Amino acid sequence: KQEVTQIPAALSVPEGENLVLNCSFTDSAIYNLQWFRQDPGKGLTSLLLIQSSQREQTSGRLNASLDKSSGRSTLYIAASQPGDSATYLCAVHGSSNTGKLIFGQGTTLQVKP
Amino acid sequence: DGGITQSPKYLFRKEGQNVTLSCEQNLNHDAMYWYRQDPGQGLRLIYYSQIVNDFQKGDIAEGYSVSREKKESFPLTVTSAQKNPTAFYLCASDIGTNYGYTFGSGTRLTVV
Repeated sequence: KQEVTQIPAALSVPEGENLVLNCSFTDSAIYNLQWFRQDPGKGLTSLLLIQSSQREQTSGRLNASLDKSSGRSTLYIAASQPGDSATYLCAVHGSSNTGKLIFGQGTTLQVKP
Repeated sequence: DGGITQSPKYLFRKEGQNVTLSCEQNLNHDAMYWYRQDPGQGLRLIYYSQIVNDFQKGDIAEGYSVSREKKESFPLTVTSAQKNPTAFYLCASDIGTNYGYTFGSGTRLTVV
């Protein structure tokens, strides 16, 4: 059974720092991995989608990497800003044909001005 | 703009009452999903549908029911059999494994 773990559960950094969020998964047979952002009381916003054949994806100050063999993904945020404060969720799409995403419990990030 | 609309944003349910959460998408996506989010537990899959007139139970389907009569709509009914329904409910859709999920803005259900 696929399990997804995100470490740390919470992170507080000063504005301007570069930071890394971690995601690990137990079954390397995945179609893709998706990073989401969730603001309090809101839905999920997709940040980056990495296909199983890809090593990384970039969007603006965000860079996500994928290492299937070790069951790890990282989300790198450059030059963090207070507006980056949110919960970041990692989810893997397994290789079964059900389309289900399996989510980690998230990392709550606070960027202090 | 294409997207997923969930309504209502807030919903209050009395003990023993059934309530229905609406989810509508105009993305022309075949697959739709319902997740429940509780503090400290992440998102858990309730039901999913990969095509009209077909749906499958997820990990926590007990006390819930769904229908998929139209491609655009996937309503979720929380029945009186669901003993702990207070949670944040999220609807999502996708068009295939290569394109990722799109989520709605959620419905917060509270038992009063």
